[in-house]
Amino acid sequence: DGGITQSPKYLFRKEGQNVTLSCEQNLNHDAMYWYRQDPGQGLRLIYYSQIVNDFQKGDIAEGYSVSREKKESFPLTVTSAQKNPTAFYLCASSIWAATNEKLFFGSGTQLSVL
Amino acid sequence: QKEVEQNSGPLSVPEGAIASLNCTYSDRGSQSFFWYRQYSGKSPELIMFIYSNGDKEDGRFTAQLNKASQYVSLLIRDSQPSDSATYLCAVKGYNFNKFYFGSGTKLNVKP
Repeated sequence: DGGITQSPKYLFRKEGQNVTLSCEQNLNHDAMYWYRQDPGQGLRLIYYSQIVNDFQKGDIAEGYSVSREKKESFPLTVTSAQKNPTAFYLCASSIWAATNEKLFFGSGTQLSVL
Repeated sequence: QKEVEQNSGPLSVPEGAIASLNCTYSDRGSQSFFWYRQYSGKSPELIMFIYSNGDKEDGRFTAQLNKASQYVSLLIRDSQPSDSATYLCAVKGYNFNKFYFGSGTKLNVKP
């Protein structure tokens, strides 16, 4: 089945630790995105990538890093510089710049601080 | 000013009634408009999209777009308890590499 797979479903971070969230898609989509969702709030864009080996900062990129070495994969690292990382993280993908571009989401990762 | 505004609710309707959810946006150049449904602890699921002024119907759902008023709405007919969720409005801006999301409206359908 085609889709977007995020892992792990739950992740705990200790103070000062970097953690990496995985996102893999087999939809052959060009663009991939990372969003953060806090309780009762909308989605805020962290990073996005249009093509392999290229990515751009979103609205809240500080304390996060990404890579796009393969079309299928777009991992997100939450660094120790992100002081308030507890949130629900959503990976999404789309066909880049199509006139009928739609965004599809993975199942999400809930990150909490120990 | 937020890019996309929604009333956070909760909006409570009885089973079988019509639920009306509203959204306004600030970018006049916006091209595409979406409604996502999100159950608690789950990821958003695309339920409707609309690109042109007017109405678009799909089953019990109708999306309405008025670009002059920068307003998009979602009507859910014959509401069911399973429709109880948070509904997110999303707008794809003129700068087409970004989707902007509202904070969502929580809908409760009472049996």
